Amino acid sequence: DAGVTQSPTHLIKTRGQHVTLRCSPISGHKSVSWYQQVLGQGPQFIFQYYEKEERGRGNFPDRFSARQFPNYSSELNVNALLLGDSALYLCASSLVGQGHYGYTFGSGTRLTVV
Amino acid sequence: GENVEQHPSTLSVQEGDSAVIKCTYSDSASNYFPWYKQELGKGPQLIIDIRSNVGEKKDQRIAVTLNKTAKHFSLHITETQPEDSAVYFCAASWGGSSNTGKLIFGQGTTLQVKP
Repeated sequence: DAGVTQSPTHLIKTRGQHVTLRCSPISGHKSVSWYQQVLGQGPQFIFQYYEKEERGRGNFPDRFSARQFPNYSSELNVNALLLGDSALYLCASSLVGQGHYGYTFGSGTRLTVV
Repeated sequence: GENVEQHPSTLSVQEGDSAVIKCTYSDSASNYFPWYKQELGKGPQLIIDIRSNVGEKKDQRIAVTLNKTAKHFSLHITETQPEDSAVYFCAASWGGSSNTGKLIFGQGTTLQVKP
């Protein structure tokens, strides 16, 4: 079975640009969460989506947005990129929306803003 | 606010020795405590988790203990092997009707197992 798939694996953008990151959850998983991991730190929660509805949002500016599609895949969008947005962006999927029991993470998208 | 403190930040042990990583959490409503292993270039991989209704859980060489009164939990790895070398993260969360899918992670521990 395929795990959580994220694309692209690496990305270089210029300040002020926009970026879209994509995530395909494990087949049958209906919940997708996004995390930002800055080098040397633990992941920070950005969003959770369950059954195509936003279920939670972390302490990130409105430049960050996301959505979940009918097939449960998800996109994370970041507008007006700043140097500080450089990080590993992780997607995690789970069977259930309540309780994060058994979240499986993808390998992430490494975003570099120059 | 919600916070998870993890210690130590780095840990070096000889192959075959035990390793212990400790975490404390601030939110007394937390009831789910997973541990993740992250290797270079990969996403975090769940290695063991514990829920608040138990005090200890073991899976082969890995065990986790939880003290809800003191709000701390620990990861114990016995008979360490070089392939255990990685960054380990603890996390805390709560499940329930209002849960938002939010894991609060510690800062990570870089474990080095020397052959």
